[in-house]
Amino acid sequence: GENVEQHPSTLSVQEGDSAVIKCTYSDSASNYFPWYKQELGKGPQLIIDIRSNVGEKKDQRIAVTLNKTAKHFSLHITETQPEDSAVYFCAASQFGNEKLTFGTGTRLTIIP
Amino acid sequence: EPEVTQTPSHQVTQMGQEVILRCVPISNHLYFYWYRQILGQKVEFLVSFYNNEISEKSEIFDDQFSVERPDGSNFTLKIRSTKLEDSAMYFCASSDGTGDQPQHFGDGTRLSIL
Repeated sequence: GENVEQHPSTLSVQEGDSAVIKCTYSDSASNYFPWYKQELGKGPQLIIDIRSNVGEKKDQRIAVTLNKTAKHFSLHITETQPEDSAVYFCAASQFGNEKLTFGTGTRLTIIP
Repeated sequence: EPEVTQTPSHQVTQMGQEVILRCVPISNHLYFYWYRQILGQKVEFLVSFYNNEISEKSEIFDDQFSVERPDGSNFTLKIRSTKLEDSAMYFCASSDGTGDQPQHFGDGTRLSIL
């Protein structure tokens, strides 16, 4: 089955700087890669997703890149703000409505 | 914005008791899921449900677990005889199933088995 690795497990970044979180996956049949943000006491909230026919996708301060050959994808957050502090999970599936395999999470702390 | 709602937010149950976790998916969604997250660990898939039947389940989803959509709005997860290791956050999710529409998650039920 699919295995998703995520690094780093914790990340501290000065406010205004950029943060990068990286994930690798094992199943070449995976085609859909969402990123979720989880705040304390809340469920995972989708922040951006990318499909395998696209190499990069951007939404304001958030971008995701995908290298299907190398089987890795990354989340980039620019101009970080205190409200970006949360746990971020990457995930992979073959299609959006199939089971998601999650990474182990990255606790991002923005230092004011 | 429509959201997935889960009740209760926290459930405390004695080991060996049955527990039912409830979810109201987003109203026009067709695919429903349960995931769990043991404290400090990653989110793990339990089961997916479509067209009134299980479409996929993980090895975690053994005979102690069952799911049901008893009416047009609720989606439930039942654990028949709870064990200590069932203590976790349980998340319900739903998607509308068109193309690659994403899964939307509820805020979860914290299940504590004593």
